[in-house]
Amino acid sequence: QVQLQESGPGLVKPSQTLSLTCSVSGGSISDGVYYWSWVRQPAGKGLEWIGRLYSGGNTNYNPSLQSRVTISVDTSKNQFSLKLNSVTAADTAVYYCTRAMKFFSGMDVWGQGTTVTVSS
Amino acid sequence: QSVLTQPPSVSAAPGQKVTISCSGSNFNIGNNYVSWYQQLPGTAPQLLIYENNKRSSGIPDRFSGSKSGTSATLAITGLQTGDEADYYCGTWDNSLSAGVFGGGTNLTVL
Repeated sequence: QVQLQESGPGLVKPSQTLSLTCSVSGGSISDGVYYWSWVRQPAGKGLEWIGRLYSGGNTNYNPSLQSRVTISVDTSKNQFSLKLNSVTAADTAVYYCTRAMKFFSGMDVWGQGTTVTVSS
Repeated sequence: QSVLTQPPSVSAAPGQKVTISCSGSNFNIGNNYVSWYQQLPGTAPQLLIYENNKRSSGIPDRFSGSKSGTSATLAITGLQTGDEADYYCGTWDNSLSAGVFGGGTNLTVL
């Protein structure tokens, strides 16, 4: 059974870069079947899709974040990563990595989430 | 504001049925699959329904999904107190080339 685990700093200073990694276990990130995605949720608010990566390297990003976000993959480590630069307090949220089925038909595996706070 | 519109809250008594609506447009729901997620307090979301009406593994048949035109509906029958949670719809938006979610609906089982 595939499991996802987020890791990274819980505190980031304003204007710096938020970097998170999602480790995939129980399956291969290179299977070519799924998209690997990031979703975030500010405290008390709804879900926001950040972006996705296909194992071939193709990516899609939320237009509202596109200028600041990069999602990449390290197939040798079976991991994918999120980088969000020039962060502000508005980027404070719980960040989830997910596995998404093709055609965005559903995100069937979620990590437990990691809280990132942007503060000086 | 979310691209997809959901009611902020719904409520019903134990054993009853409740429906949660998700309204969009031809850019999103009208031409793409809809999925539904349950988020229990303090936990990560869990996939309930994918491809409009297919239940994810282990999800009881009390949960069902449907889609018509640019709207989708999640129905929950035989409500239990354990169903109290936030529910989100999601789909792809062709004009944004991005995934989108509804604002979420909080279910209270009275």
